[in-house]
Amino acid sequence: AQSVTQPDIHITVSEGASLELRCNYSYGATPYLFWYVQSPGQGLQLLLKYFSGDTLVQGIKGFEAEFKRSQSSFNLRKPSVHWSDAAEYFCAVGADGNKLVFGAGTILRVKS
Amino acid sequence: EAQVTQNPRYLITVTGKKLTVTCSQNMNHEYMSWYRQDPGLGLRQIYYSMNVEVTDKGDVPEGYKVSRKEKRNFPLILESPSPNQTSLYFCASSWGQGKSSYEQYFGPGTRLTVT
Repeated sequence: AQSVTQPDIHITVSEGASLELRCNYSYGATPYLFWYVQSPGQGLQLLLKYFSGDTLVQGIKGFEAEFKRSQSSFNLRKPSVHWSDAAEYFCAVGADGNKLVFGAGTILRVKS
Repeated sequence: EAQVTQNPRYLITVTGKKLTVTCSQNMNHEYMSWYRQDPGLGLRQIYYSMNVEVTDKGDVPEGYKVSRKEKRNFPLILESPSPNQTSLYFCASSWGQGKSSYEQYFGPGTRLTVT
């Protein structure tokens, strides 16, 4: 069965510093991969997606992610974090039945 | 504005009192789904619907019912809520075909507390 692991429950970075959130997936074929962000009290917003092709994908709000098949990873990155990026981030993989299988999430705190 | 709406946003109820959480989308999407979010577990799918009158169980369907009588609406029904159904619930929708079906739009969430 498909699964997603986000090893870091919490991450704290300083404003202006770079960010990398880790995501590892388990899936037999070429996966469809997603990153969502959930701000406090809000729904989920799609940051970026990977279906095929170029393994470095660009998303909204200055985020990017790199698909590495050999490592079964899809890490999210941002070169310079803003205080407004503080939120919870979810990695997800597309699974049978058109569903998304989510990781447990990583809470990002930004310190000034 | 394209959106998924849910009502109510917050609900406190007692064990055994039937409730319905409504979900509606205005994007003419075929696919709709319900997820619950619990700390440390991420989101887990409860039920989904590929189109009108077509529904199927997700990973955690016990204690829930759904119906899809109209394309735009997909209500979640808890016939006899229990405290372990206290959670944050999200409705989502997408186009039903191919990889686009995975690009799901989420509602704002419904926080349910069962005492």
